[in-house]
Amino acid sequence: EPEVTQTPSHQVTQMGQEVILRCVPISNHLYFYWYRQILGQKVEFLVSFYNNEISEKSEIFDDQFSVERPDGSNFTLKIRSTKLEDSAMYFCASSEAETIGEGGVTFAVQNSPLHFGNGTRLTVT
Amino acid sequence: KNQVEQSPQSLIILEGKNCTLQCNYTVSPFSNLRWYKQDTGRGPVSLTIMTFSENTKSNGRYTATLDADTKQSSLHITASQLSDSASYICVVSADDSWGKLQFGAGTQVVVTP
Repeated sequence: EPEVTQTPSHQVTQMGQEVILRCVPISNHLYFYWYRQILGQKVEFLVSFYNNEISEKSEIFDDQFSVERPDGSNFTLKIRSTKLEDSAMYFCASSEAETIGEGGVTFAVQNSPLHFGNGTRLTVT
Repeated sequence: KNQVEQSPQSLIILEGKNCTLQCNYTVSPFSNLRWYKQDTGRGPVSLTIMTFSENTKSNGRYTATLDADTKQSSLHITASQLSDSASYICVVSADDSWGKLQFGAGTQVVVTP
């Protein structure tokens, strides 16, 4: 079964350094997302991306964050100047434009499942 | 404020037994409710998705219910297996912000032999 892959699995960086987290979404998916999970807390939305532009972003996604789809397969999250509070597990996800459900019913993207990668654990020291 | 609350926080069950997890939400306008399973150190995996018009959805031994009037959902696990040990997360999507999923804190389920 196709899956979302993320690299690296663990990244350690010093405060103030730039990091780039990489993701390869499922090949026929058109919608891409970044979420993060601080240790012991809920998963939080960062940003959604479609048609080479940001669809929506959260308050967390400030000017220090950026996303890019540099080619036909990769989707990246860049943090320009990391802070200690950026330490978290970062999950990439992708979804289809539509999903065929039971009985051949078509569900639009808002009802399509998000497929998550296994995350990149970012540790800022 | 859009919120998703789950109970219990954790539970331990014997292999072969059933259990039910609860979810209450205040997300509005409502689009859909999802249940995800998250193994330790892994990404969440989708179990079910229910829209406003659906009140039950099954995926193998997992059965989710939805009461959109009371804004409550449950996930029932039948005949639990050791591999069911994981965090089960209720996730709600708003109609005007469908890509921005609102996650609950999860219920940590431990299945013991």
